[in-house]
Amino acid sequence: QSVVTQSPSASGTPGQRVTISCSGSSSNVGTNYVSWYQHVPGTAPKVLIYRNNERHSGVPARFSGSKSGTSASLAISGLRSDDEADYYCATWDDTLSVPVFGGGTRLTVL
Amino acid sequence: QLQVQESGPRLVKASETLSVICTVSGGSIYGDSWSFIRQPAGKGLEWIGHISAFGETNYNPSLKRRVTLSVDTSKNQFSLSLTSVTAADTAIYYCARVLSDTYCTGSTCSRGDWFDPWGQGTLVIVSS
Repeated sequence: QSVVTQSPSASGTPGQRVTISCSGSSSNVGTNYVSWYQHVPGTAPKVLIYRNNERHSGVPARFSGSKSGTSASLAISGLRSDDEADYYCATWDDTLSVPVFGGGTRLTVL
Repeated sequence: QLQVQESGPRLVKASETLSVICTVSGGSIYGDSWSFIRQPAGKGLEWIGHISAFGETNYNPSLKRRVTLSVDTSKNQFSLSLTSVTAADTAIYYCARVLSDTYCTGSTCSRGDWFDPWGQGTLVIVSS
């Protein structure tokens, strides 16, 4: 069981805006930077967002990250079929002194 | 363009040692830190450890007794060794470059590690 939790699933229709959340505590999300990854099974995971809200080079502006208190969010607007993937948040945990990943959210585009 | 690629045996017998090599191409292994991350079937991602090009390491405490990371700068490679494996170690093993940032204001520091790029991963199955 990860110390950072994500809803296991999310869904939306093409063109819609969806939000994926990442909930932690003051020892991880509340204090440290959050990054977000997109993972299509069978391929290499890709970083989308780092330092809470900075888009990695080449990542479309449709993807945005935010953080408030001990929760972080990844928003995807203008949903496309190729956004269907697993999304993971990650952060540093001060108590464990390790990077920790959320359990992942499977996004389905209906 | 920097790339990383995992390689290693697909099958490892229980109680033996699992080994995965990560080859860095399109850039030098110097100047950055490198990490192994794994994903058991149907589960989330678990960080295993970091290593710098100079051999400085940091391991996940849950695996520390069994894990060793090493680096071979002449081959632009770094490696994972996991001893005394069990079925619970069956997973896809990924390698990735680690980028780190720490920002302090007053007595509060915020740290962030992010991983880019990642390899496609290599499936390692522990058989009994």
